[in-house]
Amino acid sequence: EVQLVESGGGLVQPGRSLRLSCAASGFTFDDYAMHWVRQAPGKGLEWVSGITWNSGSMGYADSVKGRFTISRDNAKNSLYLQMNSLRPEDTALYYCAKGSSTTWYNPSDYWGQGTLVTVSS
Amino acid sequence: SYVLTQPPSVSVAPGKTARITCGGNNIGSKFVHWYQQKPGQAPILVIYYHSDRPSGIPERFSGSSSGNTATLTISGVEAGDEADYYCQVWDGSIDHPVFGGGTKLTVL
Repeated sequence: EVQLVESGGGLVQPGRSLRLSCAASGFTFDDYAMHWVRQAPGKGLEWVSGITWNSGSMGYADSVKGRFTISRDNAKNSLYLQMNSLRPEDTALYYCAKGSSTTWYNPSDYWGQGTLVTVSS
Repeated sequence: SYVLTQPPSVSVAPGKTARITCGGNNIGSKFVHWYQQKPGQAPILVIYYHSDRPSGIPERFSGSSSGNTATLTISGVEAGDEADYYCQVWDGSIDHPVFGGGTKLTVL
């Protein structure tokens, strides 16, 4: 059974940093691209970042480019999102999502339950 | 960047057919995926590559796309289908996925 478990969320002040983690199990982690998708309270889904199976390529939404960094450790079956210079508008539930192939061109076929990030003073 | 437009809400009686649209420039030339999100739950993929269904998704769910509109069709709607539905495509111009704003399906 595919499982994606996010952690690392919490309350943080504007301008500070936070690192999210996603522990994956139930599939061959290094065969698939991975994504972070967020959902602000009461709002829709927003793709944040994606990374190919071998970390050869990463992509970011314009809203986070230059502030967030995605990475993965295939030996640990883990995905990460380093979030710097956080802003109140980054407040959201952050989902880890599994891609359905090695690249991020394809849909996400499994999602975690999310970790909540609240940016407020 | 590429914009996907969905109606905020669609209402349908049980047993009837619900059609949720997703508008985008020449969306018929792109691969469209659909996600269902029930309150308090993570999204799940219900249709991919326009019309394919993942295992476990009922045949009542189908998808189509042509011109500037993609459509998710749910036949024989059940109370359990009440959820938010999001369309998604890959935007080659900015090299990343894009989501529509979502449609809340209400079963009357």
